[in-house]
Amino acid sequence: GENVEQHPSTLSVQEGDSAVIKCTYSDSASNYFPWYKQELGKGPQLIIDIRSNVGEKKDQRIAVTLNKTAKHFSLHITETQPEDSAVYFCAAVYGNNRLAFGKGNQVVVIP
Amino acid sequence: KAGVTQTPRYLIKTRGQQVTLSCSPISGHRSVSWYQQTPGQGLQFLFEYFSETQRNKGNFPGRFSGRQFSNSRSEMNVSTLELGDSALYLCASSLVSGAHRGTGELFFGEGSRLTVL
Repeated sequence: GENVEQHPSTLSVQEGDSAVIKCTYSDSASNYFPWYKQELGKGPQLIIDIRSNVGEKKDQRIAVTLNKTAKHFSLHITETQPEDSAVYFCAAVYGNNRLAFGKGNQVVVIP
Repeated sequence: KAGVTQTPRYLIKTRGQQVTLSCSPISGHRSVSWYQQTPGQGLQFLFEYFSETQRNKGNFPGRFSGRQFSNSRSEMNVSTLELGDSALYLCASSLVSGAHRGTGELFFGEGSRLTVL
């Protein structure tokens, strides 16, 4: 099955600094990579996604980069704010059949 | 536009009992997927229903089942509960079938937190 790993499991950053979360995947045929954000007591919410035909995508303070050769993709959050504190899940489609999620990263933004 | 609604939000059961969880998708969404979330395993796919038909199933035992009604509302049932079934059960709706495999965005509810004693 697909293995999606996230690093680090917990990340603490000072408000205003940048945060980077990296995910690795095992299926070279994977072609869709979303990032979901889960705030405390809520369900995950899609914040950004990327398909395998592009290397980078940005949306205001967040961006995702994809390295197909190394089979990893990363979430970049710039100018972090307290509301960025949440659990972030990466995911990858494998076998054109299933979206496999990583185990999540806890991001803590320190005011 | 109302989001995905899951009921109940919290429940406590004992081993051997069964439980039924309910999910009302976003209006117009015909696909409902269910996920189990635990600290150690993250989000694990249970199954997807589209137009009252189960389209895909994850690697869970037969004790986990579901169904979808004509109004797209969905229920999942877990029979003969085990301690390891304690988890947050998330329902996600989407416009298209197959969002659980990346064809579209998943809209998650807040989940039903099940504790098995």
